[in-house]
Amino acid sequence: AQSVAQPEDQVNVAEGNPLTVKCTYSVSGNPYLFWYVQYPNRGLQFLLKYITGDNLVKGSYGFEAEFNKSQTSFHLKKPSALVSDSALYFCAVRDTGSSNTGKLIFGQGTTLQVKP
Amino acid sequence: DVKVTQSSRYLVKRTGEKVFLECVQDMDHENMFWYRQDPGLGLRLIYFSYDVKMKEKGDIPEGYSVSREKKERFSLILESASTNQTSMYLCASRFGGGYNSPLHFGNGTRLTVT
Repeated sequence: AQSVAQPEDQVNVAEGNPLTVKCTYSVSGNPYLFWYVQYPNRGLQFLLKYITGDNLVKGSYGFEAEFNKSQTSFHLKKPSALVSDSALYFCAVRDTGSSNTGKLIFGQGTTLQVKP
Repeated sequence: DVKVTQSSRYLVKRTGEKVFLECVQDMDHENMFWYRQDPGLGLRLIYFSYDVKMKEKGDIPEGYSVSREKKERFSLILESASTNQTSMYLCASRFGGGYNSPLHFGNGTRLTVT
């Protein structure tokens, strides 16, 4: 079955330190991978995506993500965290199942807490 | 910027009521989606639509229906609301040109069924 896993419910980091939010996936074929962020009482906002090409993808607000095919991972990273980065982060992968509809499968979300 | 507008931020309805959640997008996107968001479960797809008058079931369609009479509007209908439909509902739209286009989300409707 195709799936996305975010193994940490919450990640805590001090402001100025690097942050990593983990994501692993399981799909058949080539994965299309996405990261979204949700601030309190808001919808999700697109951060970045990996479709093909360079394994390091740069996105909005200084975030980047590294695609690792052998580990089937797509971890979100930022070199220096800000308090304003505190939010709920979702990893998603395109469903490549038989229906091939372009649906996204979302992980359960990881809360990032950046302390001053 | 794409704007996806959900008509209500908060709704409180009684068990058995018929509930309409409305979503409008202003970017002429072909694809539209309804998700529900529950803590620890992430986002689960209820229904989606690839174009006007088209609809397809997502992963959890039971108890829901949808309507897409115009390209910009996608409505989610709870035929007879139940307490287990208390949730955050998110609408999204996407350019229909390819699966690598990102989804654009509305701010959500938090529905409470009592």
